[in-house]
Amino acid sequence: GDSVTQMEGPVTLSEEAFLTINCTYTATGYPSLFWYVQYPGEGLQLLLKATKADDKGSNKGFEATYRKETTSFHLEKGSVQVSDSAVYFCALIKEEGNKLVFGAGTILRVKS
Amino acid sequence: ETGVTQTPRHLVMGMTNKKSLKCEQHLGHNAMYWYKQSAKKPLELMFVYNFKEQTENNSVPSRFSPECPNSSHLFLHLHTLQPEDSALYLCASSQLTGHSGNTIYFGEGSWLTVV
Repeated sequence: GDSVTQMEGPVTLSEEAFLTINCTYTATGYPSLFWYVQYPGEGLQLLLKATKADDKGSNKGFEATYRKETTSFHLEKGSVQVSDSAVYFCALIKEEGNKLVFGAGTILRVKS
Repeated sequence: ETGVTQTPRHLVMGMTNKKSLKCEQHLGHNAMYWYKQSAKKPLELMFVYNFKEQTENNSVPSRFSPECPNSSHLFLHLHTLQPEDSALYLCASSQLTGHSGNTIYFGEGSWLTVV
């Protein structure tokens, strides 16, 4: 079946460090790929998305590129802030589908 | 402001109570969802409504009863819950287009504690 695998956390970084959170997926066809973020005590917010191979999604300094050849969608940010501390979820939706398949989530902690 | 509003944000209920969670979306979408997020467990899809019709019930116990009176509103009626049902319940919506790129938007969630 379809699945998403994320790197385990927590990931702890100092402010202004470079962030990478790895995400790989298993799915047939060409799913759409997403990163959602959940700040403490809140719901999920869409961070960025990509709908086809080689697309790059970007938002708030975060970016991720849809790599069909490696079935990956790694999240990166050049300089993290304390306010980026949250749980990050990688997810996919099959073509023409409407069911999100989530990864387990990665906790990010940024220290000042 | 995500365009998906959930009330109440926090709810404490006894095991014999009946309560409801409410969700309203202001995005003009035609699909709505309930998800459950428990501590240390993956996000679980509970129910899917497309054009007000339930299209998915992911083996959810009958003590959870969804209702979708129109494409903008979704309820989750709760009855005779168990302490293990304590969780964050997330409502979401999307616009089904028949094409790829369907994007799902979530509300802030309702924190439920069953005592």
